[in-house]
Amino acid sequence: AQSVTQLDSHVSVSEGTPVLLRCNYSSSYSPSLFWYVQHPNKGLQLLLKYTSAATLVKGINGFEAEFKKSETSFHLTKPSAHMSDAAEYFCVVSDLMFSGGYNKLIFGAGTRLAVHP
Amino acid sequence: SQTIHQWPATLVQPVGSPLSLECTVEGTSNPNLYWYRQAAGRGLQLLFYSVGIGQISSEVPQNLSASRPQDRQFILSSKKLLLSDSGFYLCAWIHPGLTYGYTFGSGTRLTVV
Repeated sequence: AQSVTQLDSHVSVSEGTPVLLRCNYSSSYSPSLFWYVQHPNKGLQLLLKYTSAATLVKGINGFEAEFKKSETSFHLTKPSAHMSDAAEYFCVVSDLMFSGGYNKLIFGAGTRLAVHP
Repeated sequence: SQTIHQWPATLVQPVGSPLSLECTVEGTSNPNLYWYRQAAGRGLQLLFYSVGIGQISSEVPQNLSASRPQDRQFILSSKKLLLSDSGFYLCAWIHPGLTYGYTFGSGTRLTVV
């Protein structure tokens, strides 16, 4: 079964400093991985996705993530945090072995990012 | 263009009262539809999915039910709410056969008091 572990429930950074949100996955086959962002009381927005193409994936708002199969990791990074980046971030894996032939998203518990001036 | 609508945005309901949350999709046909719930401090958990009218599958046993009376309408219901039903409910859709490209609604914040 697929699973996702986000290693930090809260991360706090200063504006202008780098952001690192850590994610490890468990999968018996090549996974599709995603990062979603959720601003307070809003729906989910897709930041980026990995679907077995380039291992370094660039997303919106300056975020990127690197798929490392040897480490089963898919960490999210950004060189310089902005106040507007404060939100909750979810690492997600797509379960391709879903019963009935459909797929579902399996979410990590989330990392709340705080950005201080 | 394809859009997804979810309402209401917020809801406060007493324990034991009924619930009805609605989700509709526009601009596509025969979407796969999903209901997810986010409990406080936790990630999203899949509650129900549907691949067609009247076809509902449940992921976890619970106090909730779902229905799909029309192709692009997905309803989440309860006859009697529990305190543990509080959370953030999200509807999502995707084209059948795709593994990415989910679109999420804006969510409903449900507080059971």
